[in-house]
Amino acid sequence: NAGVTQTPKFRVLKTGQSMTLLCAQDMNHEYMYWYRQDPGMGLRLIHYSVGEGTTAKGEVPDGYNVSRLKKQNFLLGLESAAPSQTSVYFCASTVGPLSYNEQFFGPGTRLTVL
Amino acid sequence: EDQVTQSPEALRLQEGESSSLNCSYTVSGLRGLFWYRQDPGKGPEFLFTLYSAGEEKEKERLKATLTKKESFLHITAPKPEDSATYLCAAGTQGGSEKLVFGKGTKLTVNP
Repeated sequence: NAGVTQTPKFRVLKTGQSMTLLCAQDMNHEYMYWYRQDPGMGLRLIHYSVGEGTTAKGEVPDGYNVSRLKKQNFLLGLESAAPSQTSVYFCASTVGPLSYNEQFFGPGTRLTVL
Repeated sequence: EDQVTQSPEALRLQEGESSSLNCSYTVSGLRGLFWYRQDPGKGPEFLFTLYSAGEEKEKERLKATLTKKESFLHITAPKPEDSATYLCAAGTQGGSEKLVFGKGTKLTVNP
């Protein structure tokens, strides 16, 4: 099993450009999450999904959109990138609610917005 | 407001020098207290979940404990390969279900 995979691993964008980050999991997990991690800020939840076809806002959703068309995939989109979105993005999944189930994290995507 | 505070922010140990990392939490309705390890350039890796005060879990040189206000990650006779950032997170169902992360403790073990 590959677990949770993310593509791409690195990306550099110019302000105003758009991009999509792809997360895939092969553990048949219902719940999936997108986080960003910034120095001194810790992990912050952007959006999450509790099942195929569902999405919900997390702590810092502004400037991002998500889609969960297939159970195994969770896409994070940036429509018009801003320098404040420079960060490391992690995808994660759980078998059930995140308040009491361990999360499996992907390796991360390092995004720089110039 | 739900909050998780980890201390110290950074810790340097000599190989074999045992110590503890602290995670203090203030959340409504704790569902689970999690410890993760994160190596540079990688995603967090799950270590332990604790569900109730008094619970303890061990894995190799690591032992996690939980009280009603804090959790400790005890590291016994650490080795250089234990160097990493250790993250604590509290799962809560007060109001809305969520997971609150601390900012982590960066541990360096020198040979």
